Amino acid sequence: GAVVSQHPSWVICKSGTSVKIECRSLDFQATTMFWYRQFPKQSLMLMATSNEGSKATYEQGVEKDKFLINHASLTLSTLTVTSAHPEDSSFYICSARDLPDYNEKLFFGSGTQLSVL
Amino acid sequence: SQQGEEDPQALSIQEGENATMNCSYKTSINNLQWYRQNSGRGLVHLILIRSNEREKHSGRLRVTLDTSKKSSSLLITASRAADTASYFCATDSSNDYKLSFGAGTTVTVRA
Repeated sequence: GAVVSQHPSWVICKSGTSVKIECRSLDFQATTMFWYRQFPKQSLMLMATSNEGSKATYEQGVEKDKFLINHASLTLSTLTVTSAHPEDSSFYICSARDLPDYNEKLFFGSGTQLSVL
Repeated sequence: SQQGEEDPQALSIQEGENATMNCSYKTSINNLQWYRQNSGRGLVHLILIRSNEREKHSGRLRVTLDTSKKSSSLLITASRAADTASYFCATDSSNDYKLSFGAGTTVTVRA
């Protein structure tokens, strides 16, 4: 099946620094990727929809200047957490669809555990 | 936003037993999907059932969908220790490319 690679798997950073997370579709082209955030023992909350070549669509309550998303190619989307603070510590997961057909499953990256000190 | 509610929140069973979990949702859907997540990892797609289907099987998994009650169930038969994970339902609503995930059921299979 299709593979989505997410990097890094975990990152520890100091408060005030920026962190970039990469999400790559390895064997398919993903015109749309999704970024989720997950707190311990909770569900996935959609943060934004990343569209290749255009601006990302953010969910209500998600600060677009805080969470910068770039989808410059059909195989790569990046999420940058700017000026990270301890409350940004969370598990971030990306996903992508293999086909443009919305009626299909998502392939997920393995997630990035962010810890902000 | 989240539209799925799952029940139970947690389930502990003995290896070899069946595990059943339920998912309810609020709005009309195109399809409903079930995913598994091992601790600290991404999600793995298990099965997709379309709105015009009532039951679907995949190996030891059986999914039912009742659109009149806006609910679905996932049955894992003859459970194994490797089935220990969190299970999430996700709905794909009309005219929307996004999936909304339920709160998840944490399943522990004891050897």
